[in-house]
Amino acid sequence: KNQVEQSPQSLIILEGKNCTLQCNYTVSPFSNLRWYKQDTGRGPVSLTIMTFSENTKSNGRYTATLDADTKQSSLHITASQLSDSASYICVVSKKTSYDKVIFGPGTSLSVIP
Amino acid sequence: NAGVTQTPKFQVLKTGQSMTLQCAQDMNHNSMYWYRQDPGMGLRLIYYSASEGTTDKGEVPNGYNVSRLNKREFSLRLESAAPSQTSVYFCASSRGLNEGEQFFGPGTRLTVL
Repeated sequence: KNQVEQSPQSLIILEGKNCTLQCNYTVSPFSNLRWYKQDTGRGPVSLTIMTFSENTKSNGRYTATLDADTKQSSLHITASQLSDSASYICVVSKKTSYDKVIFGPGTSLSVIP
Repeated sequence: NAGVTQTPKFQVLKTGQSMTLQCAQDMNHNSMYWYRQDPGMGLRLIYYSASEGTTDKGEVPNGYNVSRLNKREFSLRLESAAPSQTSVYFCASSRGLNEGEQFFGPGTRLTVL
């Protein structure tokens, strides 16, 4: 079964600290993996996209890694800010006749002063 | 550019009532999608439209119908609302079927009593 799991379910960190969110998937055949940020009451917004051959990709203070062999990805947030408080969703695309997209349940991050 | 817009933002229905959720995009995207988001679960695809004039069922289509009115607009209809359809509904669009980033609207929060 094609699944995407994320951990932790929720996380609280102090402003300025770093954190790492995890994503494990069983989707096969793999096409690409995206991390989305969803602010409360808003739609998700894409942060990064990674294909099979990419190990690391950065977007400002966000750095995503991908290990296609172990089917794991992580999203590292550096020097967190209050505006980083949001849900972070891992989305994996399956290579079929068209790419099928499977969403993870998300990790809720709260950054407190 | 407004991106993806949705109306209404909030709606309360009684069981058995019908309603249509509206979605429009101004990015000249070919593909559009309707998702529902429930607590603790990933976004689930209800219906999608690969291109103007075509629609297909997603993961959870029961109780819903869609219309791709033109390239810009994609509506979701609940013919006879049920409490199980209480959810947040998101419309999204992309260049092609799961091609490139999906851009999401702000969502419609629907409560069925």
